[in-house]
Amino acid sequence: AQRVTQPEKLLSVFKGAPVELKCNYSYSGSPELFWYVQYSRQRLQLLLRHISRESIKGFTADLNKGETSFHLKKPFAQEEDSAMYYCALRGSTLGRLYFGRGTQLTVWP
Amino acid sequence: GAVVSQHPSRVICKSGTSVKIECRSLDFQATTMFWYRQFPKQSLMLMATSNEGSKATYEQGVEKDKFLINHASLTLSTLTVTSAHPEDSSFYICSAMGQSGEQYFGPGTRLTVT
Repeated sequence: AQRVTQPEKLLSVFKGAPVELKCNYSYSGSPELFWYVQYSRQRLQLLLRHISRESIKGFTADLNKGETSFHLKKPFAQEEDSAMYYCALRGSTLGRLYFGRGTQLTVWP
Repeated sequence: GAVVSQHPSRVICKSGTSVKIECRSLDFQATTMFWYRQFPKQSLMLMATSNEGSKATYEQGVEKDKFLINHASLTLSTLTVTSAHPEDSSFYICSAMGQSGEQYFGPGTRLTVT
């Protein structure tokens, strides 16, 4: 069965420090992995997807099939990065998303 | 970019009444829309998948007779909470799927049942 695990419910770092939000998944096949972000009082929006292999707002995420992980990283966190981050997967392009429980990131000044 | 709207943004209703929430894709057509429920500081729980012109597919544990979904056009899906009770109070979010498969999320509707 498909499952997305985000072990940290809360994560706090100081501005300028590196940050890593963990995501592990289980899926029998080759899923697409995503990171979504929800800023305070805003809607959920796509941050990045593994097939794009791009960096958005300084964030990167590498799919590690051996460890079934898709951790989100940023070398120097900014206060405006404070938000709720959700890792998600889907099994097919037109399929539903499976979300992790989310990690609330707080970046202190 | 693609925009999805929801109406109303918040609604308060009395126990036993029904409430309709609309989800619209404003600048694209969506054959598939999804309805989620989100509890405070928790993840999104998929309630149902709404396909234009056909019956919605409900997730296990979601009462289809209580949460009526209608996807009447390629830009509109509605969720009606029938005979609402306080335990139905929640944040309801819809998303619409674009042609590329990307999901665009609405801003959500805060439902409070008194």
